[in-house]
Amino acid sequence: EPEVTQTPSHQVTQMGQEVILRCVPISNHLYFYWYRQILGQKVEFLVSFYNNEISEKSEIFDDQFSVERPDGSNFTLKIRSTKLEDSAMYFCASTPRTVHNEQFFGPGTRLTVL
Amino acid sequence: RKEVEQDPGPFNVPEGATVAFNCTYSNSASQSFFWYRQDCRKEPKLLMSVYSSGNEDGRFTAQLNRASQYISLLIRDSKLSDSATYLCVVNNVSSGSARQLTFGSGTQLTVLP
Repeated sequence: EPEVTQTPSHQVTQMGQEVILRCVPISNHLYFYWYRQILGQKVEFLVSFYNNEISEKSEIFDDQFSVERPDGSNFTLKIRSTKLEDSAMYFCASTPRTVHNEQFFGPGTRLTVL
Repeated sequence: RKEVEQDPGPFNVPEGATVAFNCTYSNSASQSFFWYRQDCRKEPKLLMSVYSSGNEDGRFTAQLNRASQYISLLIRDSKLSDSATYLCVVNNVSSGSARQLTFGSGTQLTVLP
């Protein structure tokens, strides 16, 4: 069964550094998402991406964040200058269509900002 | 008011018990509804979609009441492997072509031997 994959599984970085989190969505899916989950809190939407552009973004997704689909398979989330409060699990998800289709999540990248 | 509200639990039940989780959502324009489960420090995994007519998948039954903006999940004959956090999730209409998921905080279930 096809799955969403994410790398790395754990990223440790210093405050102020740039990080890139990588995702490979399920191959025939068209819509891609990033969510984050701070330890002990609920899963929060960051951004959705379709047809090589951002469809929606939340208040969390400020100018420090960007997303890109550099080739036909990878979908990346970049945080330009990490803050302590960016420490969280970051989940990538994908879905084949928008209408009532479920989103399938990758295993996540645990980001720790020191 | 929280967009998606759940009883955080924890629910501790013996194996074989029946357990029910409830959830309310605030946005009456919400279109799609799901239950996900999340094991500790893992990704959310889709358990089932929830339809207005109610739907069943083995030991799991989900119900939706649009008038009351209420969603439920019933687990019958609970197994040790059902121990997890159950997330009520709503997919709202938005102006864009994709729809973000809004998650509840989850209800923690522990099934005891």
